[in-house]
This record gives sequence, structure tokens and C-alpha cells, in this order.
Amino acid sequence: QVQLVQSGAEVKKPGSSVKVSCKASGTTFSSHAINWVRQARGQGLEWMGGIIPILGTPNYAQNFQGRVTITADISATTVYMELSSLTSEDTAVYYCARDSSGLGWFDPWGQGTLVTVSS
Amino acid sequence: DIVMTQSPDSLAVSLGERATINCKSSQSLLYSSNNKNYLAWYQQKPGQPPKLLIYWASTRESGVPDRFSGSGSGTDFTLTISSLQAEDVAVYYCYQYYNTPLMFTFGQGTKLEIK
Repeated sequence: QVQLVQSGAEVKKPGSSVKVSCKASGTTFSSHAINWVRQARGQGLEWMGGIIPILGTPNYAQNFQGRVTITADISATTVYMELSSLTSEDTAVYYCARDSSGLGWFDPWGQGTLVTVSS
Repeated sequence: DIVMTQSPDSLAVSLGERATINCKSSQSLLYSSNNKNYLAWYQQKPGQPPKLLIYWASTRESGVPDRFSGSGSGTDFTLTISSLQAEDVAVYYCYQYYNTPLMFTFGQGTKLEIK
């Protein structure tokens, strides 16, 4: 059974960066994409980007281009999402989700990581 | 980018009644080479991550009750809950995975409540 476990909640100052991790267990890690989706309080789901670890080249949603960096450490079976130049608008729950089928839909999901941006 | 638009934004249905949620994409999600629609549905309950219900527009994920069904093709899709149960209260999202590699979008969500 594939499991994704994310790092804990973060509180950050405006203008700083945050790095969230997503560790996969119970599966072959490197050949299926891990994606990041964020959800502001009371809002919908927004795809940020993703990476197929064995390929190493991430894809990013246009809204996050230039501010987000997604990387993978195959030996640690962990994917990271770093978001820079934080503002209060970035306060949200950030989820990682795996494309286990290799066909495009996300399942399973991590438990989510709350990032709060506040001065 | 493909834009996904759901209707209605919220919906109240009596227990045991049918609930219908619509999703429209800004371009066709039907891939001609395999005749599949690259459309999925997710359910999200408060405080939980989304849960996959349906993929290929109409294929139920393992373990999903058969009161959930998906239909549609091209640009217009529907999620139907045939007989609403209390545990179905959630927000439902449609999602397209037609744009590859790795370029996906969600609908804005439909909040389903009990009337």
C-alpha cells in the first residue's frame, strides 16, 4: 500500500521561502509522478506542478512559474516543493499526490501541510 | 490551459434523492487514439485530502459505492449520486488530465449538502 507522508506545519514571514517534503513508502518510487496541489482556506484545489523522479525534470503550472521548485531525492524516496517570495496569499494547505496509475489521476494523497504566512 | 467549470457551486439534496453535478471543459477531453475521456472526479470531506472516485469519466475507483456514477464525453460531464447518503456530504471536484505531460486543472468545486 503506497503511503505519502508530508512534513509538518510551517509558519513563515512574508518574503521568505518554505520547503515542504513528501516521503513515499511501500512502493517503487521513481517511475510515477508526484504532484503538488494547494488549497487555500475555504477554496478549491490548485495544481502547482509535478515531477517524475526518475526523469528529474519538473513541470510547473503557469501561476507558479518562477516561484516554485520541485525536486526529488530518489535515495530518500522523497519529493520536495519549495515556494519562494511568500505572501499572505500563499497561506494554504499543500498536498502531495502520486500518479500511481501512470495515466494522470492522483491517488494516493499525502495528509497535507499547512503553511501560514504571517508577519 | 484547459479551464474546468462546474455547476452548480452548491447543491442541497434530500437523503435518498439523486444529486447531479455538472462539469464543462474549455476543450474536448476525448483523446481520439484511445476513445477515452481524460476526466476524473474527486470527493473531499472537511479536514481530509481529496479521494479519487472516478476516472476515464465513468470508471469507478475500487471500493467506491455504486451509487456514484460518471457520464459524459468531449466537453460535458456529469457526476451522479443515485441515492444521497449522509456520508456523501462533501465538496466534489472534476479534474482533467488531458494535458500531458504534467499539466492539470481542477474545477472550482461543488459543495453538496443535505436538504
